Amino acid sequence: AQSVTQPDIHITVSEGASLELRCNYSYGATPYLFWYVQSPGQGLQLLLKYFSGDTLVQGIKGFEAEFKRSQSSFNLRKPSVHWSDAAEYFCAVGGAGNMLTFGGGTRLMVKP
Amino acid sequence: NAGVMQNPRHLVRRRGQEARLRCSPVKGHSHVYWYRQLPEEGLKFMVYLQKENIIDESGMPKERFSAEFPKEGPSILRIQQVVRGDSAAYFCASSPLDRPNTEAFFGQGTRLTVV
Repeated sequence: AQSVTQPDIHITVSEGASLELRCNYSYGATPYLFWYVQSPGQGLQLLLKYFSGDTLVQGIKGFEAEFKRSQSSFNLRKPSVHWSDAAEYFCAVGGAGNMLTFGGGTRLMVKP
Repeated sequence: NAGVMQNPRHLVRRRGQEARLRCSPVKGHSHVYWYRQLPEEGLKFMVYLQKENIIDESGMPKERFSAEFPKEGPSILRIQQVVRGDSAAYFCASSPLDRPNTEAFFGQGTRLTVV
């Protein structure tokens, strides 16, 4: 069975500071990995995805993520956080039938 | 180019009533997924449907919950005799293909409150 762990429930960073959100997964085959962002009261927007190839993936809004098979991780990064990045971030792994298994989410707060 | 449309956005039901949640997938998408998000939690898979078929309902409670995706019209998630614990956000997603590397597009969700 596949699973996703996001160890940090809440993270607070200052505007302009760098950001790294952690994601660890468990999956028996080649993982298909996703990061979604959810603003309050809204649906999910895809930030980026990894299927194969280059392990450093670029996404929208200046985000990137790095797949590390040896660590079963897919951490999300951004070099300089903006106040508008405050939201909840979900890591997910895709399996058979395109069903997604989500982590519990990390709520990001940005200090001015 | 409308995305996934869910309605209503907010739904309030008294205990024991029925809730019907609708999802219109992206035009041309034939795969629909329902997820539930309990307060302060991530999304949990409920059911996966293709037109007129339930493919996987392993995440759906065995009682009171049902889903359909008819040949014509939106997908419906139906919750009978709602209880307080059903209060959650219910998200629908659609995709054009049945492959794990295919992006699923999410709707904005229906927030169900049971009073």
